[in-house]
Amino acid sequence: GAVVSQHPSRVICKSGTSVKIECRSLDFQATTMFWYRQFPKQSLMLMATSNEGSKATYEQGVEKDKFLINHASLTLSTLTVTSAHPEDSSFYICSASRQGQGVYSNQPQHFGDGTRLSIL
Amino acid sequence: DQQVKQNSPSLSVQEGRISILNCDYTNSMFDYFLWYKKYPAEGPTFLISISSIKDKNEDGRFTVFLNKSAKHLSLHIVPSQPGDSAVYFCAASSPGNTGNQFYFGTGTSLTVIP
Repeated sequence: GAVVSQHPSRVICKSGTSVKIECRSLDFQATTMFWYRQFPKQSLMLMATSNEGSKATYEQGVEKDKFLINHASLTLSTLTVTSAHPEDSSFYICSASRQGQGVYSNQPQHFGDGTRLSIL
Repeated sequence: DQQVKQNSPSLSVQEGRISILNCDYTNSMFDYFLWYKKYPAEGPTFLISISSIKDKNEDGRFTVFLNKSAKHLSLHIVPSQPGDSAVYFCAASSPGNTGNQFYFGTGTSLTVIP
């Protein structure tokens, strides 16, 4: 089955540090990747939709300058949390869909295992 | 290693009938289970959840059943409606050192036929 790799799985760093999270589709090409944020025992919150070769589409309330998203290839999207602060501590998860089968069809989204970000 | 599995990638059900979506897990430390519904081009939306101390949780047309001994949970939708056609993800959570870690299944695409 399709595999989405998200790295790192856990980050602990000081306030003010910028943190980059990678999301890779290992065995398929993903035209679209999604980035989510999740607080404990709460639903996933979609942060942005990342389209290969174009600017990401951010959800309302998500700071574009704070959460930089780059989708430079069909297999890699990155989320950079700039100048992270303790309130940015959360669980971030990406997902991806296969190219060709279309994000606009009922095909499973393949999720990464997430990144636990802790800002001290 | 997939700790949460949805072995049926797709399911078709006639409108008005019951839809049953299944999910299996391997980690006995999971203590919280969720179902997400996802429409195309949208992020998953939270549907219903259940704690490991319960074996059933009901919300309107949606009921989640948990069988801890079998490490199995299921989502029942009755009666099924065409608008229920979507991809459904189950997810499981276990307490971690810095909070809960969630694991997701790969999804089941439900088609409700009018």
